[in-house]
Amino acid sequence: SQKIEQNSEALNIQEGKTATLTCNYTNYSPAYLQWYRQDPGRGPVFLLLIRENEKEKRKERLKVTFDTTLKQSLFHITASQPADSATYLCALDGSSNTGKLIFGQGTTLQVKP
Amino acid sequence: DVKVTQSSRYLVKRTGEKVFLECVQDMDHENMFWYRQDPGLGLRLIYFSYDVKMKEKGDIPEGYSVSREKKERFSLILESASTNQTSMYLCASGGLAEIHGFFGPGTRLTVL
Repeated sequence: SQKIEQNSEALNIQEGKTATLTCNYTNYSPAYLQWYRQDPGRGPVFLLLIRENEKEKRKERLKVTFDTTLKQSLFHITASQPADSATYLCALDGSSNTGKLIFGQGTTLQVKP
Repeated sequence: DVKVTQSSRYLVKRTGEKVFLECVQDMDHENMFWYRQDPGLGLRLIYFSYDVKMKEKGDIPEGYSVSREKKERFSLILESASTNQTSMYLCASGGLAEIHGFFGPGTRLTVL
């Protein structure tokens, strides 16, 4: 069956450290994978998109990698800050040309000062 | 600034009531989506639409219907609300050029 999985346990790290979140998928062949941030009671906000032919993408303190052989994406936040505390969702395209996204359950990140 | 708005942030309804959730986007996007989000289950797609008057079932369409009469507006209808439809409902839009989703703030629906 098709699955997209993120670590359901919360990730607690110290301010200034690098946070690494994992997204694994099975039985999909996505053309791209996306990462979103969601704060409590709010809708998700898009952060980064990485395509299947890209290994790595960066945006300020964020870095995403995409390994289609391992069927895995890693999301890194360097020099983390308490304001980075949120739930992070990965999503991949469920079918071509419709923009339909399939989401993981999300990983909650807590950055302690 | 791009915007997706939803008609209510919080809504309380009774079992059996007909419920309308409205979503409006101002980005001229072709695609619009309705998700529900529940603890432990994540975001699940209910319905989506890739054009006016077009609709496609998502993963959990049972008990819901949708309407898209205008490009900017996508409505989710609960024909007869039930307690298991208590959830956070999120609308999103996306364009052919911008394939990521722009989400609304969500509607937290409670069915008593």
